[in-house]
Amino acid sequence: DAGVIQSPRHEVTEMGQEVTLRCKPISGHNSLFWYRQTMMRGLELLIYFNNNVPIDDSGMPEDRFSAKMPNASFSTLKIQPSEPRDSAVYFCASTPGPGGYEQYFGPGTRLTVT
Amino acid sequence: GENVEQHPSTLSVQEGDSAVIKCTYSDSASNYFPWYKQELGKRPQLIIDIRSNVGEKKDQRIAVTLNKTAKHFSLHITETQPEDSAVYFCAASRGSAGAASKLTFGTGTRLQVTL
Repeated sequence: DAGVIQSPRHEVTEMGQEVTLRCKPISGHNSLFWYRQTMMRGLELLIYFNNNVPIDDSGMPEDRFSAKMPNASFSTLKIQPSEPRDSAVYFCASTPGPGGYEQYFGPGTRLTVT
Repeated sequence: GENVEQHPSTLSVQEGDSAVIKCTYSDSASNYFPWYKQELGKRPQLIIDIRSNVGEKKDQRIAVTLNKTAKHFSLHITETQPEDSAVYFCAASRGSAGAASKLTFGTGTRLQVTL
């Protein structure tokens, strides 16, 4: 079992650039979560999907952030334009779905915006 | 929405001693309470969880207790070892049989086990 896969693992970009983070959930899992972790704000839920449908995006900080899940095996989180305050570790997690509550986290993407 | 408070923010214990981390939640409909361990530079990993139909669950040196009336739950680690040093997060959610629902995390406890 490969676990949740995220890419890239590290991203350094300049302010104003577009950033795309990618996630492949565990095969068979039908719920996917995007989190952001910083020292100041801790672990924040940005958005989650059930069966590829966005359920709650209330944690998305602003319109610069968008997320998609075109199929059961792939999701993206996009920031356009990026700002230095977006620097954080972004985690993707998946869960089996109905009856399965455990969330399995990916290794994270460390984003630095200069 | 749900609000989860976690205490203490830092905890230092000697190897072999016990450690206790406490969390409170606000949403009486929450019914699933996991604990995650995060080592430096690593991902959060589930170490134990409890559902609202039980009051206590144990797995080797780790146990979790839940008091639904008071809306608080605790993590107990006995016989601590240096490899237990990490940040621990509690969380709460309205788990449902129909679909996954979101976790609300506490702010974390940095546990340091000293020799």
